[in-house]
Amino acid sequence: ETGVTQTPRHLVMGMTNKKSLKCEQHLGHNAMYWYKQSAKKPLELMFVYSLEERVENNSVPSRFSPECPNSSHLFLHLHTLQPEDSALYLCASSQTGNEQFFGPGTRLTVL
Amino acid sequence: KQEVTQIPAALSVPEGENLVLNCSFTDSAIYNLQWFRQDPGKGLTSLLLIQSSQREQTSGRLNASLDKSSGRSTLYIAASQPGDSATYLCATGNTGKLIFGQGTTLQVKP
Repeated sequence: ETGVTQTPRHLVMGMTNKKSLKCEQHLGHNAMYWYKQSAKKPLELMFVYSLEERVENNSVPSRFSPECPNSSHLFLHLHTLQPEDSALYLCASSQTGNEQFFGPGTRLTVL
Repeated sequence: KQEVTQIPAALSVPEGENLVLNCSFTDSAIYNLQWFRQDPGKGLTSLLLIQSSQREQTSGRLNASLDKSSGRSTLYIAASQPGDSATYLCATGNTGKLIFGQGTTLQVKP
């Protein structure tokens, strides 16, 4: 695998479910990011991890919980989501402050 | 608070035409500016990165310019092809945090 990978690519979940999104980067970068892309809205930065420490939490509801166990892996744990949370969730990585590279995204649908 | 605007929202051109996509931002204190391409339902592909000290970057048929003082960047696409059809996004960066515009959706007709 090269670049940034995300699994699953598609996810459908009920509002009471718990699920996790996974991101892995194979680029040797030290920063990882979660973005949300909703229809008709610009991409929104959710979380930033630099050297495995969370350095940005962009006023994201607590039903989204990120985890960065090492510099190559990033998770987004989902719990009691709402239908308006349905979106494309994109992961990215970079050397801090430099060009960001994105994964293919997870298309999430909350019923 | 940084705001990024892209005009036009959509653009349709015949194949072979040269075109310019515009991006404006409200806060000139940026670290860099990045242009991306996004195909429907897919992730983002990085096209060009311009550091704040640079004026332009080129890659193949693409040329991106940056004028920090006026808060503007342009993406020039030469000799457009149907395969260039996609949404083009610009984003300004400050210590790694990217703020995105809403994108310009380009259709190149054969």
